[in-house]
Amino acid sequence: GAGVSQSPRYKVAKRGQDVALRCDPISGHVSLFWYQQALGQGPEFLTYFQNEAQLDKSGLPSDRFFAERPEGSVSTLKIQRTQKEDSAVYLCASSYRQGGTQYFGPGTRLTVL
Amino acid sequence: AQSVTQLDSHVSVSEGTPVLLRCNYSSSYSPSLFWYVQHPNKGLQLLLKYTSAATLVKGINGFEAEFKKSETSFHLTKPSAHMSDAAEYFCVVVYHMEYGNKLVFGAGTILRVKS
Repeated sequence: GAGVSQSPRYKVAKRGQDVALRCDPISGHVSLFWYQQALGQGPEFLTYFQNEAQLDKSGLPSDRFFAERPEGSVSTLKIQRTQKEDSAVYLCASSYRQGGTQYFGPGTRLTVL
Repeated sequence: AQSVTQLDSHVSVSEGTPVLLRCNYSSSYSPSLFWYVQHPNKGLQLLLKYTSAATLVKGINGFEAEFKKSETSFHLTKPSAHMSDAAEYFCVVVYHMEYGNKLVFGAGTILRVKS
């Protein structure tokens, strides 16, 4: 069956550009998470949605990071005025219910030059 | 606060020999602990989870882990490594929030399997 998909898989941006990363969760999954995985590190929590409500954005590193899930399905993570330190793999995960097993997408590798 | 420490960044074993990936946790209450595996260019996959039931947990592909409260450990083992086990493994402690679970990952252990 279809899993979590993310696009683009790879993104190269020049410093200062804005980028938008898309996540398509598994159909019917209520919960959606974004994580950031820097090179050589484990994923770190960025933000959480329950349906369209963003219930936790405590992991967003700065106000340049913004996430939305307007209709409770697809989510977009936007990074404004990208910096080199934003280079990482951005992972999306979804779960059927609160506290359920999280299923991860393949990630988007962002490189900021 | 919850955290995990993976004691080895790289582990190398020969095919057919046992695998041991070490993880120690820190938690202010009885934790839930997971192991995830990440193969190149693939999404993270849940291997197994401990949620305060049996302390010895069996997962997919012959992996298992034992929760030891006295040692604050949750090491991952497999009796006999296979070439397909080569991947990066993450120990995870679960931070229980009002809305659900926030996963806190260790830094990862890269497992290399030699033929």
